[in-house]
Amino acid sequence: DAMVIQNPRYQVTQFGKPVTLSCSQTLNHNVMYWYQQKSSQAPKLLFHYYDKDFNNEADTPDNFQSRRPNTSFCFLDIRSPGLGDAAMYLCATSRGWVAGEPEQFFGPGTRLTVL
Amino acid sequence: SQQGEEDPQALSIQEGENATMNCSYKTSINNLQWYRQNSGRGLVHLILIRSNEREKHSGRLRVTLDTSKKSSSLLITASRAADTASYFCATDSMKTSYDKVIFGPGTSLSVIP
Repeated sequence: DAMVIQNPRYQVTQFGKPVTLSCSQTLNHNVMYWYQQKSSQAPKLLFHYYDKDFNNEADTPDNFQSRRPNTSFCFLDIRSPGLGDAAMYLCATSRGWVAGEPEQFFGPGTRLTVL
Repeated sequence: SQQGEEDPQALSIQEGENATMNCSYKTSINNLQWYRQNSGRGLVHLILIRSNEREKHSGRLRVTLDTSKKSSSLLITASRAADTASYFCATDSMKTSYDKVIFGPGTSLSVIP
């Protein structure tokens, strides 16, 4: 089945130790998103790509970086995680507004714990 | 400032009753979407309504959009325990990238069997 896959589902890291979260899709969608969601809050957009065109949100901390080496894969790098970065990280994809299909398909998320 | 705001924040109903959630937004949009999130899971897309549409139906879901009031409502009819989840509206903006959406804070729905 076509889907959005996130690995790992659960990630534990130490304060300041770099961590990489991965997302892959078999939908061949042009747009990929990374969201941060804290408990009982709305998903907060960190970045999104249209193909390789990268769009960073103004309030996304410099500590967060992203890579999209090809259509199928996207990575979220947290260079020096702090306690405040503990959250669920959600990856999503869509065909995009240009294609007339802005609906987003979400992965199951990676829950990050920072010790 | 946040694009979408849901009301109420939390809603508790009996199985079989209808549930209505509202979403208000601030700037002109191309479309508005509703998503559901079960606890600890990713979001699932429910329905999209475009700015030139006033009402859409999908199964037990009915969505309305009033662009003059910048508001939308999601009605779930004949609710079931399995409808227990958080519901988010998401809006794009004509002022930014059309692929970017902002999620409202969500409504937490509890359906009591």
